[in-house]
Amino acid sequence: NAGVTQTPKFQVLKTGQSMTLQCAQDMNHNSMYWYRQDPGMGLRLIYYSASEGTTDKGEVPNGYNVSRLNKREFSLRLESAAPSQTSVYFCASSEEVGGRGWAYEQYFGPGTRLTVT
Amino acid sequence: AQRVTQPEKLLSVFKGAPVELKCNYSYSGSPELFWYVQYSRQRLQLLLRHISRESIKGFTADLNKGETSFHLKKPFAQEEDSAMYYCALSGGSSASKIIFGSGTRLSIRP
Repeated sequence: NAGVTQTPKFQVLKTGQSMTLQCAQDMNHNSMYWYRQDPGMGLRLIYYSASEGTTDKGEVPNGYNVSRLNKREFSLRLESAAPSQTSVYFCASSEEVGGRGWAYEQYFGPGTRLTVT
Repeated sequence: AQRVTQPEKLLSVFKGAPVELKCNYSYSGSPELFWYVQYSRQRLQLLLRHISRESIKGFTADLNKGETSFHLKKPFAQEEDSAMYYCALSGGSSASKIIFGSGTRLSIRP
């Protein structure tokens, strides 16, 4: 089991360039997430997908789009990168915990360090 | 609105001293609470969760509904506990997502 994998590990973009961050999980989880991690801000949710075919905005969705390609894959796209999007991006997937349908333990990928100049 | 507050950005204690990382939450129902940890150069991982009532690596956390707190405690800190710790909350109408606090960096001095 590879768990949650992300590509690339590092990326440098120029302002205005676009790119897609890839994420895949092999744990058959329904829910997947994209976060950004910034110093002093902790983890902030960008988008999430509760199940295949659905996506919802999180706390900081502006400047991003997502695609839940299938149950395994959830990609994050930056259409026109800005320096404010310099961050570490984490993908996560989750299973149901406790059988009550609403307590989700999350499994994280290793992260993508993105720098926009 | 759901919110998780970790008031300390940085906590520095000596090895062998007790540790308490504070977490307060705002939620109208009965949430599930978690602590996640990120060691240097490693991915975030679950440390413990309220519903399991477990102790992991000597850490415990008690949910205090009256004070809406879920503080993480360890009686004797070890150097390998140095890491970033995040408190998180799940539940309610937005059950598909977990809300994270801003994190506390714990530094254990030898």
